[in-house]
Amino acid sequence: DQQVKQNSPSLSVQEGRISILNCDYTNSMFDYFLWYKKYPAEGPTFLISISSIKDKNEDGRFTVFLNKSAKHLSLHIVPSQPGDSAVYFCAASGVTGNQFYFGTGTSLTVIP
Amino acid sequence: EAGVAQSPRYKIIEKRQSVAFWCNPISGHATLYWYQQILGQGPKLLIQFQNNGVVDDSQLPKDRFSAERLKGVDSTLKIQPAKLEDSAVYLCASSLGSSYNEQFFGPGTRLTVL
Repeated sequence: DQQVKQNSPSLSVQEGRISILNCDYTNSMFDYFLWYKKYPAEGPTFLISISSIKDKNEDGRFTVFLNKSAKHLSLHIVPSQPGDSAVYFCAASGVTGNQFYFGTGTSLTVIP
Repeated sequence: EAGVAQSPRYKIIEKRQSVAFWCNPISGHATLYWYQQILGQGPKLLIQFQNNGVVDDSQLPKDRFSAERLKGVDSTLKIQPAKLEDSAVYLCASSLGSSYNEQFFGPGTRLTVL
């Protein structure tokens, strides 16, 4: 049972434009959400996170939005750069801290 | 600062054989995680150690998978016997505390079971 879902396997965006990556979850007990970036042949690297008490968190070009009622979060990258081309995973953890689930990933390609 | 080291990077075995993966976390990191990433899926947390104690192994198939972290440093993950569906990348991560946003991942071991 996939508790964290990323329904878009891939996304292509022109350099300089906005990239929006989406993520849905099913478990209302999740209270902390994260985005990771992964390049080929490397492990994921942490990008940005958000607690369930917030609806927005910003770090430079990256902003994560959380809509708890819709059980939906999104990652905005503005402006997109070719170096952002990677697979992006969202992840969620539960209130106990002992549940941690990744989504299936979205492959982002930023076209120069 | 050295990152998380994993070996081997690649392994090909026949089904029903045994295999072991090794992970050396970042020095001083108390928490160590093993993940399984099947092609086209996100990483799945198999087991989490805090020092040398198991915090969570709810998604570890205990009939064939085992993991240990002796002395709270290095860790090994073993599969015995392997099945075709075990073909995946096995990722190790470590963190200073127990916050998931503090995780540093290794490059992974790609396992192919024929």
